[in-house]
Amino acid sequence: AQSVTQLGSHVSVSEGALVLLRCNYSSSVPPYLFWYVQYPNQGLQLLLKYTTGATLVKGINGFEAEFKKSETSFHLTKPSAHMSDAAEYFCAVSNQAGTALIFGKGTTLSVSS
Amino acid sequence: GAVVSQHPSRVICKSGTSVKIECRSLDFQATTMFWYRQFPKQSLMLMATSNEGSKATYEQGVEKDKFLINHASLTLSTLTVTSAHPEDSSFYICSAPDVSGDSHTGELFFGEGSRLTVL
Repeated sequence: AQSVTQLGSHVSVSEGALVLLRCNYSSSVPPYLFWYVQYPNQGLQLLLKYTTGATLVKGINGFEAEFKKSETSFHLTKPSAHMSDAAEYFCAVSNQAGTALIFGKGTTLSVSS
Repeated sequence: GAVVSQHPSRVICKSGTSVKIECRSLDFQATTMFWYRQFPKQSLMLMATSNEGSKATYEQGVEKDKFLINHASLTLSTLTVTSAHPEDSSFYICSAPDVSGDSHTGELFFGEGSRLTVL
């Protein structure tokens, strides 16, 4: 069975500081990995995804994530936080295209000025 | 990217009534759609998989008689919460994969969500 663990339910950073949101997964087959962002009372927006190929994935809004098979991790980073990055972030996994995603519990990112 | 639209975005109903939520794929055909439920400050939990032309598949613990799913066409799935009670108040989100074309990335496209409040 697949699962996702997001370490830290709440992360606070200052504007301009590095953002690091942690995600570890469990999957018996090569996974498809995703990071989504959710603003209050809205649906989910895809930030980036890893399927195959390059392990460093660049997404929208300056975010990137690195797939590390040996560590079963897919941590999300951004070099410099912006106030507009404050939101809920979800890491998700699936083992096959077209199937449902399994989500982590989410991490709330707060950005202070 | 592919677009999924949900309606209504917000609904308030009285306890005991039924509420229907629609999920449409606007620019692609979706033989499968997924319905998730999200309680405040919590993650998305998969409720059921909606299959065009056949019965939905429900996750363990989800009452199929309470959450009726109909996937009547390749672009529309509906979730009906029957005899709603306050504990059914939640944020319901649908999603669909776009498996057309040569590249299937596994990405799901999400609707805007529907916030249900049962009084």
